[in-house]
Amino acid sequence: AQSVAQPEDQVNVAEGNPLTVKCTYSVSGNPYLFWYVQYPNRGLQFLLKYITGDNLVKGSYGFEAEFNKSQTSFHLKKPSALVSDSALYFCAVSLGGYNKLIFGAGTRLAVHP
Amino acid sequence: DGGITQSPKYLFRKEGQNVTLSCEQNLNHDAMYWYRQDPGQGLRLIYYSQIVNDFQKGDIAEGYSVSREKKESFPLTVTSAQKNPTAFYLCASIRGMGTTGPHEQFFGPGTRLTVL
Repeated sequence: AQSVAQPEDQVNVAEGNPLTVKCTYSVSGNPYLFWYVQYPNRGLQFLLKYITGDNLVKGSYGFEAEFNKSQTSFHLKKPSALVSDSALYFCAVSLGGYNKLIFGAGTRLAVHP
Repeated sequence: DGGITQSPKYLFRKEGQNVTLSCEQNLNHDAMYWYRQDPGQGLRLIYYSQIVNDFQKGDIAEGYSVSREKKESFPLTVTSAQKNPTAFYLCASIRGMGTTGPHEQFFGPGTRLTVL
């Protein structure tokens, strides 16, 4: 069965420090991987996706993610965190086409001034 | 501006009532989805529709119904058979397939349903 794991319920980072939000996946076949961000009582906003090609994917708001096939991971990173980055982050995997997204449980990122 | 709208933003339902959540998109997207969000559980798929007049059950379809009479509209009805309907409901749509893989899903702002 396909699944996504986000091992950390919450990540705390000081403003200006680098941040990492972890994601691992389990799928049969080639995965299509996504990161979304959600602010309180709002819908999800797309950050970035990995389809094929370069393992380092750059996305919105200075975020990037590294696809690691051997470790089945797709960790979200940012070199310098902002207080405004504080939100709920979701990793998701799709098998392509109009297939559903399978979401992780989410990781709450708290960036402290 | 193109996007997805959901209404109402907040909805209160008495036990035993059916309620309908609206989802409209003007992005000309073919496929639309309904997800349910509960704290600590991520998003779970309720129903999805790839084309007009066709839809498929997702992982947690029991107690819900949908229709897709128009490309831009995908309303969700929460019936009295849904035992625990209090949740945040999100509608999404997708442009379709790109040349190398799927496009990302666009999400509406959500409807928070509370059963009194």
